[in-house]
Amino acid sequence: GAVVSQHPSRVICKSGTSVKIECRSLDFQATTMFWYRQFPKKSLMLMATSNEGSKATYEQGVEKDKFLINHASLTLSTLTVTSAHPEDSSFYICSASHWGLAGSSTDTQYFGPGTRLTVL
Amino acid sequence: AQKITQTQPGMFVQEKEAVTLDCTYDTSDQSYGLFWYKQPSSGEMIFLIYQGSYDEQNATEGRYSLNFQKARKSANLVISASQLGDSAMYFCAMRETGGFKTIFGAGTRLFVKA
Repeated sequence: GAVVSQHPSRVICKSGTSVKIECRSLDFQATTMFWYRQFPKKSLMLMATSNEGSKATYEQGVEKDKFLINHASLTLSTLTVTSAHPEDSSFYICSASHWGLAGSSTDTQYFGPGTRLTVL
Repeated sequence: AQKITQTQPGMFVQEKEAVTLDCTYDTSDQSYGLFWYKQPSSGEMIFLIYQGSYDEQNATEGRYSLNFQKARKSANLVISASQLGDSAMYFCAMRETGGFKTIFGAGTRLFVKA
């Protein structure tokens, strides 16, 4: 149980285009999803926290108009990188928290496999 | 403010031996959770083990155990009988119970030698 998927796993796009990344919890309902960015050989940097049915909470320094987050259902959150530029190239990882899943801590986050974005 | 410190950027261990990855944390909260994740070269974050701040016993999951010393604010990961497949980046993380944010340490890269 507790599987999170992300799509696409890799994307290459031209500068100025927008890219949408999907994050799905496959076997549980995720009231909260998180979006992280990871630079090579670095730790995860939290970008925003997404709660189903409400606006995302962005971390300081993260442009909410640049990184649009939608958490439309209890199993799906999307991150759209708008007007992407080469400096947006990175590894983006989502995670989801589940509540009350038998045998698991209610505090545990489960991560998707990540999306590697390359902006040319 | 919460903080996670992993002071070992890289570690080497011989296959079949045990290894300890260090993690210290700082929080003013009484209720929190501590986690370890493994990130292989593929990039996915794999949940390994969890320790709640009120848990009196150290958590264990197969070959992974968490050496929790609350007074010293340390939560070291012990991997027994290392395998080549254990070579990866390991992150220690903390989350305040009931809160939404999980903060991560800088990570430790483990290399298992044959």
